[in-house]
Amino acid sequence: QLQLQESGPGLVKPSETLSLTCIVSGGSISSSSYYWGWIRQPPGKGLEWIGSIYYSGSTNYNPSLKSRVTISVDTSKNQFSLKVSSVTAADTAVYYCARHCAEIIVVPSHWFDPWGHGTRVTVSS
Amino acid sequence: SSELTQDPAVSVALGQTVRITCQGDSLRNYYASWYQQKPGQAPAVVIYGKNNRPSGIPDRFSGSSSGNTASLTITGAQAEDEADYYCNSRDSSDNHVIFGGGTKLTVL
Repeated sequence: QLQLQESGPGLVKPSETLSLTCIVSGGSISSSSYYWGWIRQPPGKGLEWIGSIYYSGSTNYNPSLKSRVTISVDTSKNQFSLKVSSVTAADTAVYYCARHCAEIIVVPSHWFDPWGHGTRVTVSS
Repeated sequence: SSELTQDPAVSVALGQTVRITCQGDSLRNYYASWYQQKPGQAPAVVIYGKNNRPSGIPDRFSGSSSGNTASLTITGAQAEDEADYYCNSRDSSDNHVIFGGGTKLTVL
């Protein structure tokens, strides 16, 4: 059973860089069938896609965050990582990693399954 | 880029049928996926593709689509279905992932 687990500091100072890692277990991150994604949820708000990465390193980012976000993959450790630079209080959120699935038959479909439990990151001095 | 619009809140009487909708231009080209999120938990997909349920999701959950609107229907809502529901799709103009704002479902 595929499982994902986020890890990283729970507190980051303003203007610094937020760094998180997602460890994938129970399956290979090098599967050609999937991307791997990061999604965040500010307190009391909805879900925001941050970006996704393929095992080859190909990435796709949310345009609103693209200038500050880097997602990388380490296939040898079966994990992928997120960096968000120049953080502000607006980056305070629960950050989730998830497997990004896609199906292209007649009408394409994209979904995230499974998700990690999420890790809460607070930006504060 | 496109957006996905959901009603902020919907209520349903126990055992009745409820439809949660998601509107957006991208839904003319992509199926929506639907997620259930209970307080303090990560979201979990309940419907993906045309109308597919992951294992473990009750068959009272179903999905449909017409034009620019996708719907999640719960037939015979149960107390445990009370949760936030989010739709997501792909933005057909710039190939990015988008989420709806979420619908809080209350089971009365």
